[in-house]
Amino acid sequence: GAVVSQHPSWVICKSGTSVKIECRSLDFQATTMFWYRQFPKKSLMLMATSNEGSKATYEQGVEKDKFLINHASLTLSTLTVTSAHPEDSSFYICSARWGETQYFGPGTRLLVL
Amino acid sequence: GEDVEQSLFLSVREGDSSVINCTYTDSSSTYLYWYKQEPGAGLQLLTYIFSNMDMKQDQRLTVLLNKKDKHLSLRIADTQTGDSAIYFCAESPLNQAGTALIFGKGTTLSVSS
Repeated sequence: GAVVSQHPSWVICKSGTSVKIECRSLDFQATTMFWYRQFPKKSLMLMATSNEGSKATYEQGVEKDKFLINHASLTLSTLTVTSAHPEDSSFYICSARWGETQYFGPGTRLLVL
Repeated sequence: GEDVEQSLFLSVREGDSSVINCTYTDSSSTYLYWYKQEPGAGLQLLTYIFSNMDMKQDQRLTVLLNKKDKHLSLRIADTQTGDSAIYFCAESPLNQAGTALIFGKGTTLSVSS
């Protein structure tokens, strides 16, 4: 099956700093990737749809200036959490569509102190 | 609107069968999915079914689809302690490549020995 990787797997940062999370499709090309956020014991909340070569499409209530998404190539999308605050602490998961299925990365746990 | 509903918890004994149920609302969904999430990990695609099928079996997993009632179920035969996880049902509205999946809130399966 298709493999999606994320880096880093976890990160701890100080409040006010920016954190970049990478999502890569390792053995397939993905024109569309998705970024989700998951709170403890909750379902996945779609944040945005990342489109290669164009602007991301953000879901209602997600601040595009805070969560910067760049899909620079067919195998890489990045999510940058700018000026992170403790309330941004969460589990961030990306996914990429391949054929009729969507494959997920292992997730990145962000803790903002 | 689009919505996917699941029961939140299921507890079974090792060796028994587990049945996780899901209802969805979008009748245009062409594919329906089951994902498994273990603690601290991303989502693992377990299986999926095309909407013109009633049943799909893959080793210990059996998926049943009642398209008329928009009801999907996942049966795990001979449930093991390693099956303890959160199981997410998801639908693909219109099966468009640029469309994210719609997830249920997840069913936490607890398997006791």
